[in-house]
Amino acid sequence: QQQVKQSPQSLIVQKGGIPIINCAYENTAFDYFPWYQQFPGKGPALLIAIRPDVSEKKEGRFTISFNKSAKQFSLHIMDSQPGDSATYFCAASRRGGSEKLVFGKGTKLTVNP
Amino acid sequence: DTGVSQNPRHKITKRGQNVTFRCDPISEHNRLYWYRQTLGQGPEFLTYFQNEAQLEKSRLLSDRFSAERPKGSFSTLEIQRTEQGDSAMYLCASSATGIFEKLFFGSGTQLSVL
Repeated sequence: QQQVKQSPQSLIVQKGGIPIINCAYENTAFDYFPWYQQFPGKGPALLIAIRPDVSEKKEGRFTISFNKSAKQFSLHIMDSQPGDSATYFCAASRRGGSEKLVFGKGTKLTVNP
Repeated sequence: DTGVSQNPRHKITKRGQNVTFRCDPISEHNRLYWYRQTLGQGPEFLTYFQNEAQLEKSRLLSDRFSAERPKGSFSTLEIQRTEQGDSAMYLCASSATGIFEKLFFGSGTQLSVL
């Protein structure tokens, strides 16, 4: 049973476009929702994260939108650049235990010049 | 400042051989996690340590896998009698007290079992 479902699997946009990646979770005990960025041959790097007490968080060109009732959250990348081309993973975890992250399957983003 | 360091970066082995990977977490991070990532998939949790204590193991961690963190600093992951299905990227991550959920990952060890 996949606890975090991510879509789309791949995404191609032009430079300056606003790619949107969506995730849905099942476990209502999750209370921490990060997005990670991974380049080929590298480990995932934390990009931005949100807790369910807020509906939106912005850091630079990256925004997370969170819908607690729908159990969904999404990543928006404003003014996307070719350097943003990478695989993006959403994840979720629960405080008070292992805080282990449960990851989605990833979205491969390509930003064309 | 050094991040999470993993060695070796790549390992090619024959089926049936034993392999060992090392992870050096960020200094003073008392939690250390091991994940496995196969092509086209997200990382999957294997096990984690708080200081030297191994507190949780995934069902993915068969009896052929063993992890240690003897002094609460670096960790090793050993796979005995490797199988082709063990081929994957093995990722290590660490986190600090108070912000355990903020995991910092290393670049991983890519294992290929022939």
